[in-house]
Amino acid sequence: GAVVSQHPSRVICKSGTSVKIECRSLDFQATTMFWYRQFPKQSLMLMATSNEGSKATYEQGVEKDKFLINHASLTLSTLTVTSAHPEDSSFYICSARDPAGGYLSTDTQYFGPGTRLTVL
Amino acid sequence: GQNIDQPTEMTATEGAIVQINCTYQTSGFNGLFWYQQHAGEAPTFLSYNVLDGLEEKGRFSSFLSRSKGYSYLLLKELQMKDSASYLCAVRRYSTLTFGKGTMLLVSP
Repeated sequence: GAVVSQHPSRVICKSGTSVKIECRSLDFQATTMFWYRQFPKQSLMLMATSNEGSKATYEQGVEKDKFLINHASLTLSTLTVTSAHPEDSSFYICSARDPAGGYLSTDTQYFGPGTRLTVL
Repeated sequence: GQNIDQPTEMTATEGAIVQINCTYQTSGFNGLFWYQQHAGEAPTFLSYNVLDGLEEKGRFSSFLSRSKGYSYLLLKELQMKDSASYLCAVRRYSTLTFGKGTMLLVSP
């Protein structure tokens, strides 16, 4: 199946700094990528939908000025957590949608391995 | 809105069969997914249902009833490695909404 990578896999930073997470689709072009956040023992919560060449669509309650998303190419989306604080510590997971799959196709979202962010 | 419910935790014995239920109330429906997630890892795809009925894939089967807003994942011949969280997710167009997951503990 399609492969999605994320970098870095783990990052520890000081409070107030910014952290950039990359999500790449390795063998297909993803017009749409999704960013999720998962707190311990909780489910994945969709943060935003990233469309190539346009502004991201954020879910209710997600601060777009704090979580900057850039989808500059068909294979790369980045999430920047600006001025990170300890409450931003979480597991961030991206997924990429293969446009070859339609609404009735299976497994059109392929997940990256996740990034564990710890803010001290 | 979207509301997806599944049990928080289940336990079972190696070699047994377990059924994990999922009920949903959503404003749109383009299919239901089941994912497996081990701690600290990304979810991996298990099954997909868009029409009513049973889909079988090896040791895993998934059932859907759209009129009842109900699905279940059936795991047979349980193995220790099946200990994980199982996530039910409903798709509306290209967006997935996940349930909170069911933590399955398989004991010897």
